[in-house]
Amino acid sequence: QKEVEQDPGPLSVPEGAIVSLNCTYSNSAFQYFMWYRQYSRKGPELLMYTYSSGNKEDGRFTAQVDKSSKYISLFIRDSQPSDSATYLCAMKGWTNAGKSTFGDGTTLTVKP
Amino acid sequence: GAGVSQSPSNKVTEKGKDVELRCDPISGHTALYWYRQSLGQGLEFLIYFQGNSAPDKSGLPSDRFSAERTGGSVSTLTIQRTQQEDSAVYLCASSPRTLNTEAFFGQGTRLTVV
Repeated sequence: QKEVEQDPGPLSVPEGAIVSLNCTYSNSAFQYFMWYRQYSRKGPELLMYTYSSGNKEDGRFTAQVDKSSKYISLFIRDSQPSDSATYLCAMKGWTNAGKSTFGDGTTLTVKP
Repeated sequence: GAGVSQSPSNKVTEKGKDVELRCDPISGHTALYWYRQSLGQGLEFLIYFQGNSAPDKSGLPSDRFSAERTGGSVSTLTIQRTQQEDSAVYLCASSPRTLNTEAFFGQGTRLTVV
């Protein structure tokens, strides 16, 4: 079983919809949680980074972490066609902070 | 340039040949990471460097894979006797340090073994 499981896609929503992307994990050592966005044939870019349970907001994006349930989410409000991309969750622990473990990604399409 | 630069961007090689993939990190970034991404998959950790040292090589798939970093800057990932299952996008990233900082990714090298 993988350490990080990400909800499979693809996901297709109309413009303006609220999008929820989710990951679960099994390794209690994970303390840092990231969401990356990857456009086709590009490298991933960091969207959100958090190390505590609770919510972190940045513009239209909200990252939610529930360490007790080992569950993280990314919410996108007022989704735009430019949000169409693959979203990857990633996480790492304190003791081996150079190694991030990624989910397989969810491909999102926002239709105008 | 200001970002992480990888070369070549595309590489087609024959099975059994050796290949070298290069990564130029952002200037001043002490941490450097290599990941592999197969089609439709997430990123698979290969190795990371702190300066010129590699504290964690656990992700290298076999002894055909090796990596080095010189001068705390450029890194080379070498794959010997390439196999078809080595076909993937190889991504490099760098960050100022390993904790509490953003890792910036390059565009990747798309390796195809025929």
